[in-house]
Amino acid sequence: EPEVTQTPSHQVTQMGQEVILRCVPISNHLYFYWYRQILGQKVEFLVSFYNNEISEKSEIFDDQFSVERPDGSNFTLKIRSTKLEDSAMYFCASSVSRDPILNTGELFFGEGSRLTVL
Amino acid sequence: GEDVEQSLFLSVREGDSSVINCTYTDSSSTYLYWYKQEPGAGLQLLTYIFSNMDMKQDQRLTVLLNKKDKHLSLRIADTQTGDSAIYFCAESKAGTYKYIFGTGTRLKVLA
Repeated sequence: EPEVTQTPSHQVTQMGQEVILRCVPISNHLYFYWYRQILGQKVEFLVSFYNNEISEKSEIFDDQFSVERPDGSNFTLKIRSTKLEDSAMYFCASSVSRDPILNTGELFFGEGSRLTVL
Repeated sequence: GEDVEQSLFLSVREGDSSVINCTYTDSSSTYLYWYKQEPGAGLQLLTYIFSNMDMKQDQRLTVLLNKKDKHLSLRIADTQTGDSAIYFCAESKAGTYKYIFGTGTRLKVLA
């Protein structure tokens, strides 16, 4: 069964360092997302990406964050200068469409990348 | 603003029914979802319901929606140890790409 894969599963970094989290969405999906979950808190929407551009982003997704689809398979989240409060589980997701009525708007999530900022 | 709330923990005995509750604040929510996360895995869609529906049943799962009270519940009949996981309630609406998730309810099934 096709799945979304994320690497690394866990990354430890020093405050101020740049981090790139990688995701390989399901191959025929068109919409890509990043969510994060700080320990004990809610899963929060960061950004959605469609047709090689950001389609929507949250207030959390400030200038320190960027996303890219550098080739036909990878979807990356870059944090330029990590802060302690960036420590979280980051989930990548993809979907065929955004419309659940077609039953293809389901988000398929990866297992997550745990980021620990020291 | 948009908010989704869930209780953090639920413990039930194997064979009993589990009821996981969720409240949301956005009355314009169009779709409401239940996702399941097993240890070491991503979030997996269990079921969803449109806001114009009151109930949806899918095998052991029953979703009830009280739109007036903005309350959503997931009932798992004959709960098994394999149902132990974190269950996330989420909502979305037309015109936006984002889903609003709750904190997740950790269901522990006791043998």
